[in-house]
Amino acid sequence: EAGVTQFPSHSVIEKGQTVTLRCDPISGHDNLYWYRRVMGKEIKFLLHFVKESKQDESGMPNNRFLAERTGGTYSTLKVQPAELEDSGVYFCASSQDRWARTGELFFGEGSRLTVL
Amino acid sequence: KQEVTQIPAALSVPEGENLVLNCSFTDSAIYNLQWFRQDPGKGLTSLLLIQSSQREQTSGRLNASLDKSSGRSTLYIAASQPGDSATYLCAALNSGNTPLVFGKGTRLSVIA
Repeated sequence: EAGVTQFPSHSVIEKGQTVTLRCDPISGHDNLYWYRRVMGKEIKFLLHFVKESKQDESGMPNNRFLAERTGGTYSTLKVQPAELEDSGVYFCASSQDRWARTGELFFGEGSRLTVL
Repeated sequence: KQEVTQIPAALSVPEGENLVLNCSFTDSAIYNLQWFRQDPGKGLTSLLLIQSSQREQTSGRLNASLDKSSGRSTLYIAASQPGDSATYLCAALNSGNTPLVFGKGTRLSVIA
């Protein structure tokens, strides 16, 4: 069974450009989460989808970030326009039940974003 | 607001040593606490999950304990091996629908 897959693994863009990160959760997982790790800081929550609905987007830094999960399958996270401070590793995770209270939370390998 | 702290930030030990990684959290109303491992360039792998009603969990050479009253958890690694070298992350899940909160991690190096 495929795990959580993220694409691209690494993206290098210039300030002001747009980048779209994609996450494919484990098949059947209704819950999908985005996290981000900026260098030197802890992994921080961005948002949580339940199927196609945004359950919690309290961690989204600002309106330059847009997350979607059309059809409740894969999700995209778009950063437009990108700023230097957006550099970091963006992780996606999925679980069958909310916050994996009775199961396991599975993480992807992350998408490293470098903004120059 | 839950905050998770991990000490030390980095640790280097010779192969074969037993070691303890520490995690503290500010809000004791947790639902569970998890320990993850992250290898360079890889995702997070769940190692152990301790429910709030439990005191410890064991998997192989790993043992995680939880003391809610003092807001602490420890991850004990017995007979460390070079393959244990990785970053270990502690994460607390509170009751309700609040997100999983991570510490900054402890970067472990086990020297052969």
